[in-house]
Amino acid sequence: QKEVEQDPGPLSVPEGAIVSLNCTYSNSAFQYFMWYRQYSRKGPELLMYTYSSGNKEDGRFTAQVDKSSKYISLFIRDSQPSDSATYLCAMHLTGNQFYFGTGTSLTVIP
Amino acid sequence: DTGVSQDPRHKITKRGQNVTFRCDPISEHNRLYWYRQTLGQGPEFLTYFQNEAQLEKSRLLSDRFSAERPKGSFSTLEIQRTEQGDSAMYLCASSRTGHSTDTQYFGPGTRLTVL
Repeated sequence: QKEVEQDPGPLSVPEGAIVSLNCTYSNSAFQYFMWYRQYSRKGPELLMYTYSSGNKEDGRFTAQVDKSSKYISLFIRDSQPSDSATYLCAMHLTGNQFYFGTGTSLTVIP
Repeated sequence: DTGVSQDPRHKITKRGQNVTFRCDPISEHNRLYWYRQTLGQGPEFLTYFQNEAQLEKSRLLSDRFSAERPKGSFSTLEIQRTEQGDSAMYLCASSRTGHSTDTQYFGPGTRLTVL
């Protein structure tokens, strides 16, 4: 079983839609959870960072962590064509090895 | 711009040749990580340094791979006797221990093609 599972998509939505991206994980000791955005042939760019359970909002982005279900989500409101990218979830215990999902490919259609 | 930088951005080599990549982390970051990413996959951890000490290595890191961070600043990743299966994007990331976020910032990557 992989440490982190993420549906690779692809996901295609119309501009303005709400997008929901999700990951599940197996190690209940994970405490730090991140979402990265990666454009084609570029390095991942940090979007959101959450410690432990709860919600965090930043502009059009909301990250949720449910440690009891070992489930994390990223919501994108009012999606834009510029949001088209691959979204990677990542998590770690105390900053050493990070575990990444496979990434979900998102296309926002104008 | 004081982000993570990597050099070269692209490298094409023939099977059996040695290649070396360089990573310059964000200046105040004491941790440095190397990852490998293939198409359609997330980054896979290879190794990480805290200052100049290499603290962890993945079993993915065969004996053909070696990484150094001699002065606790920039790092190099060398692949000896390259194989076609080594073709991938090699990503470097850095972080700062003790910082409230303690998360990683990535460089643009070095894309390796082994012919």
